[in-house]
This record gives sequence, structure tokens and C-alpha cells, in this order.
Amino acid sequence: AQTVTQSQPEMSVQEAETVTLSCTYDTSESDYYLFWYKQPPSRQMILVIRQEAYKQQNATENRFSVNFQKAAKSFSLKISDSQLGDAAMYFCAYQKYNNNDMRFGAGTRLTVKP
Amino acid sequence: GAVVSQHPSWVICKSGTSVKIECRSLDFQATTMFWYRQFPKQSLMLMATSNEGSKATYEQGVEKDKFLINHASLTLSTLTVTSAHPEDSSFYICSASKRERSSTDTQYFGPGTRLTVL
Repeated sequence: AQTVTQSQPEMSVQEAETVTLSCTYDTSESDYYLFWYKQPPSRQMILVIRQEAYKQQNATENRFSVNFQKAAKSFSLKISDSQLGDAAMYFCAYQKYNNNDMRFGAGTRLTVKP
Repeated sequence: GAVVSQHPSWVICKSGTSVKIECRSLDFQATTMFWYRQFPKQSLMLMATSNEGSKATYEQGVEKDKFLINHASLTLSTLTVTSAHPEDSSFYICSASKRERSSTDTQYFGPGTRLTVL
């Protein structure tokens, strides 16, 4: 079974600073997808970034980037120039290749201090 | 775009009654939709996978007779909580799978439905 672990229940960052959220996962598959989703107080799940396991290059989306270490089964999210609007719960998720079944980590609550 | 809506956003019902929640993909066709349950301050737990025109696949421990899922079209799936009890009170989130240009599927989530059973 695939499991996703987020070891940081809460994190905080000063506005304009950089923060990294950790995620590790367990799988025996070689092809899969990894995601970071943001859930603000509205509880709407928003896709932040996606990484295909077969790609060695780390995905980036503006201020958001990942550090994907396939051998270590690690998938951390870096948020640069943090903004107040980044405050939310962040969930790491794993999805098998050719299978829509998605498994989520427990989440990390990010607080951004002005 | 990839917008998924849910209706209602909030519902209160009496114990023993049934409640239907709708999930719609507004600007794309979704062959697969998913239903999740989220308790306060917890993660999303997959309840079932719904494919258009076929029976839903339920996760272990989810009662299929209690949580009825119907996926009648490529843009609509419904979850009916039958004979609801207070322990069914939760936040229910649906998602719809969209085939992207890269040929991978991305799940887009609805805004959720808060169910309170009195």
C-alpha cells in the first residue's frame, strides 16, 4: 500500500521569507505522480504543483518549487517570497500511474507572519 | 479551466433522513469522479471512485448501502447519505478527473459540502 507522510503538522514563516514543507512516501511503483494541494480556510482544494516521477527535473510554478528525490522517496515543497495568502493547510498526495487513486498525507498547516 | 461545483455547500438534516450531494464538472467531461470525507483538522479520506455508467468502487470500511453513489453522466455524480446519523456529520469533497494535454489525469476538487446531522 502506498502511504504519504508529512512530518510537520505546523510550520510558520515570516512574510517574504522562504519555507520548505516536507513529504515522504512509500511505494514499490516506478511510475507515479506526486502533488501538493493547498486548502485555505474556505476548504477549497487547490492544486499547487505536480511532479511526474519519470521526470528528473523538479517542477516549478512561480514561487513554488519542489525538491523531488526519487531514490529517497522525498517530495518537499519550497515556497519563496511567502505571502499572507499562502497561509493554508498543505497536503502532499501520491497517485499511481494510470490509476486515479490518490492518497493524501496528513497535512501541514502553514502560518505566514506579517 | 477546470471547475468542479458541489451542491449544496452546507446541509443540516435530522437523524434518519437521507441527504443527496451533487458534484458537477462544469467545463470538462470527467469519466471518473471521487468522493472524499474530511473530519476536522484531518486529511482527506477516499470513500469511493465513481465511473460514468458503472457501479462505484468503495474503499474498505465504507458502507456502500449507506453511501449511495450514482454517476449518471460525464459531468454529474451524486452521493446520497442514507439514514444519516450524527456520526455521518463531516465535510464531503468530490473531485473530477480531467485528462490533460500531457495525457496524465489531474483531479480537480469541488468546494465541499458540510453535512451536519442532528
